[in-house]
Amino acid sequence: TQLLEQSPQFLSIQEGENLTVYCNSSSVFSSLQWYRQEPGEGPVLLVTVVTGGEVKKLKRLTFQFGDARKDSSLHITAAQPGDTGLYLCAGEVVNYGQNFVFGPGTRLSVLP
Amino acid sequence: DAGITQSPRHKVTETGTPVTLRCHQTENHRYMYWYRQDPGHGLRLIHYSYGVKDTDKGEVSDGYSVSRSKTEDFLLTLESATSSQTSVYFCAISGQGGLSNQPQHFGDGTRLSIL
Repeated sequence: TQLLEQSPQFLSIQEGENLTVYCNSSSVFSSLQWYRQEPGEGPVLLVTVVTGGEVKKLKRLTFQFGDARKDSSLHITAAQPGDTGLYLCAGEVVNYGQNFVFGPGTRLSVLP
Repeated sequence: DAGITQSPRHKVTETGTPVTLRCHQTENHRYMYWYRQDPGHGLRLIHYSYGVKDTDKGEVSDGYSVSRSKTEDFLLTLESATSSQTSVYFCAISGQGGLSNQPQHFGDGTRLSIL
């Protein structure tokens, strides 16, 4: 079984602060996705990273894929209440035909 | 909007009854998945499909069966529901047009309660 760990599990911060959440595994992935999920809804795709060392930016969110394609980080600059939600990372399993394994998520709360 | 619909959105039923959840997609995605999401466990794969009539088991497949008779629909059946199957169930799709190396898109979920 390939496992993805996420840290921290919970994070509560004030509006305007910066934060980083991590997604780690001992397994190599073909690609890695980050999702945000709000209560009562399905996860919504934020980004896909494919190449080791790749960095992608989405407004105030910066995503990095580790050089060995085993880990990833999500950095949020100047967090806003609208960033509140459950952040999930998912790794695409190598050579297993579009199968993905999910981390347990980081629940972020940004207080005004 | 990835064109994915789950039905029903909510269901309450009794232990021992059969339950079928439906996932419908409109954009010709090759792969379809069923997950359950529970506190402390994240999303766990139940079954997935890589084409019409082609399905395989996921991490937590016991007590569940699936069918995919056409591209658009992927059904998840609990033959005899148990209280441990109370959960939120998500359908996901990927591989639009049969392409690989594409991320998943999720439906809005079905909240299933088994009393």
